[in-house]
Amino acid sequence: GAVVSQHPSWVICKSGTSVKIECRSLDFQATTMFWYRQFPKQSLMLMATSNEGSKATYEQGVEKDKFLINHASLTLSTLTVTSAHPEDSSFYICSARDPLAGVPDTQYFGPGTRLTVL
Amino acid sequence: GENVGLHLPTLSVQEGDNSIINCAYSNSASDYFIWYKQESGKGPQFIIDIRSNMDKRQGQRVTVLLNKTVKHLSLQIAATQPGDSAVYFCAALLARSNYKLTFGKGTLLTVNP
Repeated sequence: GAVVSQHPSWVICKSGTSVKIECRSLDFQATTMFWYRQFPKQSLMLMATSNEGSKATYEQGVEKDKFLINHASLTLSTLTVTSAHPEDSSFYICSARDPLAGVPDTQYFGPGTRLTVL
Repeated sequence: GENVGLHLPTLSVQEGDNSIINCAYSNSASDYFIWYKQESGKGPQFIIDIRSNMDKRQGQRVTVLLNKTVKHLSLQIAATQPGDSAVYFCAALLARSNYKLTFGKGTLLTVNP
């Protein structure tokens, strides 16, 4: 099946620094990628929808200036957490949609990135 | 917006028993409903889906039932195995909303050997 990778798998950073997380579709071209955040023992919350070559669409309550999303190619989207604070510590998961696959299981999820802000 | 939730936060079963995980949704305009399995520290894994105009769909050891009258769906796992232990999420997909998924709260399934 389709594979989506994330890098890094985990990261620890100091408060006030920025962290970039990459999401790659390895064997298909993803016109749309999604970024989710998951706190412990909670569900996945959609942060933003990223379309290749255009600006991301953020969900209500998600600060676009804090969570910068770049979808520069059909196989790569990046999420940058700027000026990270301890409350940004979470599990960040991306998914990529293969437009050539049948609906609905066209979203393939990455393995997630564990961010810990000290 | 869509509101998708689960009735039971935890479910503990004996190995070999059948498991039933429930989910309620609010937006009847959803096109598909999907069940995902998430193991600790990993991303969600697709299990099975059902189109909104269907009532039942079966897979290998899993069955999803959709009751549109009461906006409820369930995931049945037959002969539950220790490897089935995970958190299970239902999600609703709205195609016209750029294929966005809205996830339910999740149910932790524990299978006792």
